[in-house]
Amino acid sequence: AQSVAQPEDQVNVAEGNPLTVKCTYSVSGNPYLFWYVQYPNRGLQFLLKYITGDNLVKGSYGFEAEFNKSQTSFHLKKPSALVSDSALYFCAVSSGGYNKLIFGAGTRLAVHP
Amino acid sequence: NAGVTQTPKFQVLKTGQSMTLQCAQDMNHEYMSWYRQDPGMGLRLIHYSVGAGITDQGEVPNGYNVSRSTTEDFPLRLLSAAPSQTSVYFCASSYRDIKNTEAFFGQGTRLTVV
Repeated sequence: AQSVAQPEDQVNVAEGNPLTVKCTYSVSGNPYLFWYVQYPNRGLQFLLKYITGDNLVKGSYGFEAEFNKSQTSFHLKKPSALVSDSALYFCAVSSGGYNKLIFGAGTRLAVHP
Repeated sequence: NAGVTQTPKFQVLKTGQSMTLQCAQDMNHEYMSWYRQDPGMGLRLIHYSVGAGITDQGEVPNGYNVSRSTTEDFPLRLLSAAPSQTSVYFCASSYRDIKNTEAFFGQGTRLTVV
């Protein structure tokens, strides 16, 4: 069965510092991996995805993620955090042919001025 | 281009009542799905559809029905509401080919069952 783990409920970081939000996955077959962000009282917004190719994926708002097959991880990163990055972040995986996504529990990112 | 539209935004039901959550998309997406979001549990897939006339169950389908009579609409029906169905519900849509698409989400419906 497919599953996604986000080991941290919350990540705190100072503005201007680099941030990492962790994600590990378990899936049979080739994984398709996604990061979504949710701002308060809003739906989820797509940030980036890994399908195949380069292990470092760049996405919206300066975010990037690194796919590591041996560690089955897909950590989200940003070199310099902004207060406006504060939100709930979800990692998701699919190994099927359709966009049938399995989500992690989410990690709340708090960026302090 | 409205994207994915969900109605209503808020709803309070009494135990045993039924209702339908509406979802419509104007992007001609083949794939549509319903998720529920509960604290500490992320989003869990309730039902999904890969095209008009085709639906299938997700992780937590019990107590919910869906139908897909058109490409645009994918309503979610609660047959007999229970307090355990108190949640935030999200509808999502995308093209069928996961390699060339991303999921677009509605703004959500916050449902309380008392």
